[in-house]
Amino acid sequence: QVQLVQSGAEVKKPGASVKVSCKASGYSFTTYGISWVRQAPGQGLEWMGWISAYNGNTKYAQKLQGRVTMTTDTSTSTAYMELRSLRSDDTAVYYCARDVLTMIPAMAFDIWGQGTMVTVSS
Amino acid sequence: DIQLTQSPSFLSASVGDRVTITCRASQGISSYLAWYQQKPGKAPKLLIYAASTLQSGVPSRFSGTGSGTEFTLTISSLQPEDFATYYCQQLNNYPRTFGQGTKVEIK
Repeated sequence: QVQLVQSGAEVKKPGASVKVSCKASGYSFTTYGISWVRQAPGQGLEWMGWISAYNGNTKYAQKLQGRVTMTTDTSTSTAYMELRSLRSDDTAVYYCARDVLTMIPAMAFDIWGQGTMVTVSS
Repeated sequence: DIQLTQSPSFLSASVGDRVTITCRASQGISSYLAWYQQKPGKAPKLLIYAASTLQSGVPSRFSGTGSGTEFTLTISSLQPEDFATYYCQQLNNYPRTFGQGTKVEIK
């Protein structure tokens, strides 16, 4: 079936980096994009950015510019999100979700990963 | 950026009640709005896309209306499994913003 499977929980110290993976299966990876969304404990959903799985074009949330990098590996149908210079307020569950291939209006994020908890603590 | 404001932020209701949640956009987004349901410890689940189209497998008690800047999600008869947090999301452009959420709890 169509699914996105994410890597496991991470614990990092402030200032470190984390890289979360999101492996797609059941559909043609390069005909969609991937968005990343995070959710701090007890808080709402925050969109972080988008990557085209076809050509690697990206669009990042302004507040994360310079700290986040999204990439894909088409040979393994896997998307990655790396966040650097981690702070305590980066503690959150990070989700990947299927988005459209290019930067056009879309209907919805129809497939979501199960989430990856990232804890930033000294 | 387009801001989405949901109301109410919290509502208490009983099984069988009709529930309506509103989502207002700070500028027009045509019908590029989706609704999600999220339960504790789980990823969001798509309920409605394109403002009014029911996602496959979602019960017909869920419905969505609206276009432009004003949207609603209605649950016609609340069931025990519907107690959750609901989010709207605009996909007209980037960033793909979400509403702040509406928590539906048992009265």
